[in-house]
Amino acid sequence: GENVEQHPSTLSVQEGDSAVIKCTYSDSASNYFPWYKQELGKRPQLIIDIRSNVGEKKDQRIAVTLNKTAKHFSLHITETQPEDSAVYFCAASMSGSARQLTFGSGTQLTVLP
Amino acid sequence: DGGITQSPKYLFRKEGQNVTLSCEQNLNHDAMYWYRQDPGQGLRLIYYSQIVNDFQKGDIAEGYSVSREKKESFPLTVTSAQKNPTAFYLCASSQTGEQPQHFGDGTRLSIL
Repeated sequence: GENVEQHPSTLSVQEGDSAVIKCTYSDSASNYFPWYKQELGKRPQLIIDIRSNVGEKKDQRIAVTLNKTAKHFSLHITETQPEDSAVYFCAASMSGSARQLTFGSGTQLTVLP
Repeated sequence: DGGITQSPKYLFRKEGQNVTLSCEQNLNHDAMYWYRQDPGQGLRLIYYSQIVNDFQKGDIAEGYSVSREKKESFPLTVTSAQKNPTAFYLCASSQTGEQPQHFGDGTRLSIL
């Protein structure tokens, strides 16, 4: 089955700096890669996703890049703010009749004021 | 997402007891999912359902059971066979299996 590895497990940045979280996946058939943000004790919230026919996608301060050849994808957050502090999860899945997501182990991002 | 309601928020289980976690959605979504989250770990899929009266095992289905008798409801039973049930349980739904998944607020299950 699919295996997703996520790095780093913790990341601290100064407010205003950029943050980058990286994930690798094992199954070359995977073609959908969402990113979720989870604040302490709350539900994961989808912040951005990318499909394998696209190399990069942006939404304001957030961007995701995908390298299918190397089987890795990354989340980029620019101009970080304290409210960006949370745990971020990447995931991967194959298209098909049900989208079974395999999640990474998460990155605790702390934005220092 | 306000359209996915999980209850209760906290649940305590005694040894040898089965407990049922509720998940209801009013989004008219076809697909529903149950995940388990342990501290410091990602989410792991327990069961999923693409359509009423049909469901499939995920990666960690042992010790759990589900039903999907109505489109809007997908309850999860944690049976006494699940020896380590303490975790945060998250229900999700999507319009179809191809669409993004959105989560409920979760149920935190603990052992008495």
